[in-house]
Amino acid sequence: GQNIDQPTEMTATEGAIVQINCTYQTSGFNGLFWYQQHAGEAPTFLSYNVLDGLEEKGRFSSFLSRSKGYSYLLLKELQMKDSASYLCATPPLYSGAGSYQLTFGKGTKLSVIP
Amino acid sequence: DAGITQSPRHKVTETGTPVTLRCHQTENHRYMYWYRQDPGHGLRLIHYSYGVKDTDKGEVSDGYSVSRSKTEDFLLTLESATSSQTSVYFCAITGMEDHGYTFGSGTRLTVV
Repeated sequence: GQNIDQPTEMTATEGAIVQINCTYQTSGFNGLFWYQQHAGEAPTFLSYNVLDGLEEKGRFSSFLSRSKGYSYLLLKELQMKDSASYLCATPPLYSGAGSYQLTFGKGTKLSVIP
Repeated sequence: DAGITQSPRHKVTETGTPVTLRCHQTENHRYMYWYRQDPGHGLRLIHYSYGVKDTDKGEVSDGYSVSRSKTEDFLLTLESATSSQTSVYFCAITGMEDHGYTFGSGTRLTVV
């Protein structure tokens, strides 16, 4: 499976911008996902990048560089409700059995302070 | 909301007892997964299924078995629960690789 690395915790101020980084092994790359997980809840899908570049979706954007094995999630105009864990995940090389299983990073806990 | 439910939501059981967790979906998705989530480890794949009666092991499958006798249901069984299996268990489904997973609400299992 993939080795995925992301910071354990981050703190940012309401209204600010924060960037959460994720690095992964580049072999067998088949796309990178970002999920948001509020405390005590299930993860929810945020974004999927398979090509290089920045994809914007409202206040959230996700960037991918396949050659560097690097992605980041950019959150703008932070709100208190953005306090959550952010998980990056990537599938292994498609197995042919049709599994699409994901390997997750350990998550970055973001705290938004007033 | 996607039709995926897990039961029970909470369970406390004794060491050595069998436990079965249920994941039910109404989306007719082919792929279903069981993960456990623990502090310091994140989400780890236990077993997954790519069709009725088609299952395979994930990263942390020891002590767990699964069954999928129909598309809608994916069962996770702990044959003899141990304290190390105290965790939050999430079921997930996906229909297409670029749409990501939809997760169930989770089952919090405590083995005492």
